[in-house]
Amino acid sequence: DTAVSQTPKYLVTQMGNDKSIKCEQNLGHDTMYWYKQDSKKFLKIMFSYNNKELIINETVPNRFSPKSPDKAHLNLHINSLELGDSAVYFCASSQAGHWKEAFFGQGTRLTVV
Amino acid sequence: EDQVTQSPEALRLQEGESSSLNCSYTVSGLRGLFWYRQDPGKGPEFLFTLYSAGEEKEKERLKATLTKKESFLHITAPKPEDSATYLCAARGGGGSQGNLIFGKGTKLSVKP
Repeated sequence: DTAVSQTPKYLVTQMGNDKSIKCEQNLGHDTMYWYKQDSKKFLKIMFSYNNKELIINETVPNRFSPKSPDKAHLNLHINSLELGDSAVYFCASSQAGHWKEAFFGQGTRLTVV
Repeated sequence: EDQVTQSPEALRLQEGESSSLNCSYTVSGLRGLFWYRQDPGKGPEFLFTLYSAGEEKEKERLKATLTKKESFLHITAPKPEDSATYLCAARGGGGSQGNLIFGKGTKLSVKP
């Protein structure tokens, strides 16, 4: 039973399009995250979100927006896609509290052409 | 600014040849040092959390240790299935606002 699942696993789209990546966790965690892994495999936080607070990494363009319909889901919407958005995007979740480890989904490889 | 640096970038070992991976961190108010394993095409898989200097944790051939400035992942008698990228991450209470700050990873290859 998958703990953190993302869909789709692969996404190929044209520049200028709008796309969404879905994420669901069945761990009962309070906090969810989106990370971006670039071509050099460097993982960087984009957003963290719990039911009280959204924390945005200031370097993330406002074309990216997280949407959380409920505690178990955190979707990522991307508007006006650019070539530089091509990367692997990972969703993760953790229990509330900064001491807790995060569990990751399998990633979504986004390719913008 | 919170920062995590891993070395070496890549490490090639023969099966059975023990070694260590290094993770240096500068994080204000450390709230945990985490080790993950990432296989190609997959998400990071949690291995260990270390909270305070002097702490050690073990799992099979892996042992993680922590000092006030560094963490080491010791690999004893590695096998080919230990080949993966090992990621170190730290949580701090300062500018990173409690989010995991990752290093760039060490890609480990173990040859039979």
